[in-house]
Amino acid sequence: DTEVTQTPKHLVMGMTNKKSLKCEQHMGHRAMYWYKQKAKKPPELMFVYSYEKLSINESVPSRFSPECPNSSLLNLHLHALQPEDSALYLCASSQEGGLGLHTQYFGPGTRLTVL
Amino acid sequence: QKEVEQNSGPLSVPEGAIASLNCTYSDRVSQSFFWYRQYSGKSPELIMSIYSNGDKEDGRFTAQLNKASQYVSLLIRDSQPSDSATYLCAVNGLSTGGGNKLTFGTGTQLKVEL
Repeated sequence: DTEVTQTPKHLVMGMTNKKSLKCEQHMGHRAMYWYKQKAKKPPELMFVYSYEKLSINESVPSRFSPECPNSSLLNLHLHALQPEDSALYLCASSQEGGLGLHTQYFGPGTRLTVL
Repeated sequence: QKEVEQNSGPLSVPEGAIASLNCTYSDRVSQSFFWYRQYSGKSPELIMSIYSNGDKEDGRFTAQLNKASQYVSLLIRDSQPSDSATYLCAVNGLSTGGGNKLTFGTGTQLKVEL
């Protein structure tokens, strides 16, 4: 099973709202990722968690706040977003370890619209 | 800066033909190479991974890797209209723990015509 789930599928929020995106995997993966993807562009890495600790933050604005409550869950808390933050937000997970173990599997994504 | 380059296309092939997608990368220490397929509005789906020089076949798909020339390609045999999508090449460097950072190409749009 290579399933990563994300909720909600769609989210519309105002610039003053606070919302959260959720991601879950049950593959025993110990690395989890948040990506942002704009139309006709490749996914852009935002954050990486490894063994529930934040290991990579790609200089993402503080209005995006990641959280990894346990090895299966990953959240992205959103606050005071801008219309340009509208995008497809993708979660991915992978094993940790050497060559051949770190293939990333993507969830279906959350389509976020900021009004 | 690490770069992965792909021809953005669109690449149009007739149904039943072989589609050839190419990707070059700049970082010589790159270790792992991936092809993802992405339909419009959907998330990337892993098609192939390859780590060693040579060919790797999986059904109608063949990935080819040449580390000396720093290119990786994907061949799709007997192309079907359902193969019409954007194909993303992704490259991973040495894994030092703390997750793995993929560098994506901009993607090649493939159109398979009836």
